Amino acid sequence: GNSVTQMEGPVTLSEEAFLTINCTYTATGYPSLFWYVQYPGEGLQLLLKATKADDKGSNKGFEATYRKETTSFHLEKGSVQVSDSAVYFCALSDGTGSQGNLIFGKGTKLSVKP
Amino acid sequence: ETGVTQSPTHLIKTRGQQVTLRCSSQSGHNTVSWYQQALGQGPQFIFQYYREEENGRGNFPPRFSGLQFPNYSSELNVNALELDDSALYLCASSPVAGTNEKLFFGSGTQLSVL
Repeated sequence: GNSVTQMEGPVTLSEEAFLTINCTYTATGYPSLFWYVQYPGEGLQLLLKATKADDKGSNKGFEATYRKETTSFHLEKGSVQVSDSAVYFCALSDGTGSQGNLIFGKGTKLSVKP
Repeated sequence: ETGVTQSPTHLIKTRGQQVTLRCSSQSGHNTVSWYQQALGQGPQFIFQYYREEENGRGNFPPRFSGLQFPNYSSELNVNALELDDSALYLCASSPVAGTNEKLFFGSGTQLSVL
């Protein structure tokens, strides 16, 4: 079945460091890929998405490229801030299941120190 | 701007009891999905409602049921509670009819089953 695997956390970085959170997926068909972020005490928010191979999603300085050949969708940011501290979830939806069936990874907690 | 509100925020029940969780979708969103997030895990899809009918279901037993009302608010009902039902329950609404594009999540209801 479809699944998402994220790098284990927690990840602790200093402010202005480079961030990479790895995400790989297993899916039949051509899934859409998402990164959601959950700030402390809040609900999940869509950070970025990509709907087809080689698409790059970007938002708030974060980027992720849909790599079909490596089945990956790694999240990157060139210079993290303390306000980026949150839990990040990689997710996919398969091409046929548009009924809200997002499959999430376990999440990666990021802590950014000043 | 999520605008999705859930109640209550916390709830404690005992095994065998029944529980009802409520969700108010963001204005104009006619699709609502429910997810279960166990501690340290990513959210798992329970089901989705669109135009007051179930529009997709994940791998959850029938004792998990739902309703959507004409004003697009929603309920999640769980009967015969089990200890493993202890989790954060998330409601998500979508402005795109019947799909999982751009979900807006609430902050969740933390359910503890003793």
